[in-house]
Amino acid sequence: DVKVTQSSRYLVKRTGEKVFLECVQDMDHENMFWYRQDPGLGLRLIYFSYDVKMKEKGDIPEGYSVSREKKERFSLILESASTNQTSMYLCASSLRGEGADTQYFGPGTRLTVL
Amino acid sequence: KQEVTQIPAALSVPEGENLVLNCSFTDSAIYNLQWFRQDPGKGLTSLLLIQSSQREQTSGRLNASLDKSSGRSTLYIAASQPGDSATYLCAVTGGFKTIFGAGTRLFVKA
Repeated sequence: DVKVTQSSRYLVKRTGEKVFLECVQDMDHENMFWYRQDPGLGLRLIYFSYDVKMKEKGDIPEGYSVSREKKERFSLILESASTNQTSMYLCASSLRGEGADTQYFGPGTRLTVL
Repeated sequence: KQEVTQIPAALSVPEGENLVLNCSFTDSAIYNLQWFRQDPGKGLTSLLLIQSSQREQTSGRLNASLDKSSGRSTLYIAASQPGDSATYLCAVTGGFKTIFGAGTRLFVKA
């Protein structure tokens, strides 16, 4: 069974703090993704990575950065958290290729920025 | 730009009923279409993936169809159960990008 884990289920941070969200997958998947999910807006892609040290911007990369130093780990970084980044953050991974494979999702991190 | 629409936004049915959820997309140049289930406050669970060359996929009481030419997919749930209550999302993938619909919230009454 594919397992995608995220470092925290719930997180509360203050405006201006630097925030790290960690995602780990255990199935040697090449592709990893970060989404945010907001009521009425659905899931939106922030960044994705198709290989170690490779990253591509998604639809809403502003205010975020990512890091992928190891194949199994993909980190989302909020350099200076703002209240409009309060959201549910979902990480996903897929095996390989351009969208040919099922995406497997982690349980999500609900981030609140005060 | 790909857009994915799901109708209805919410649905309430009595237990045992067969039901159909709809998904439409604007760009037929897709690699695959995937149906997910999401329980409140949780992540997404993949239900079915249909490759662009396929017409349908089945898993247990679930059957998903894909008509690329018309930009439509349906998820058929047979003999619905209260445990099927969740939000169902469809997602289309082209290249590395996956675009999600807003989901259909399903409530199955016992």
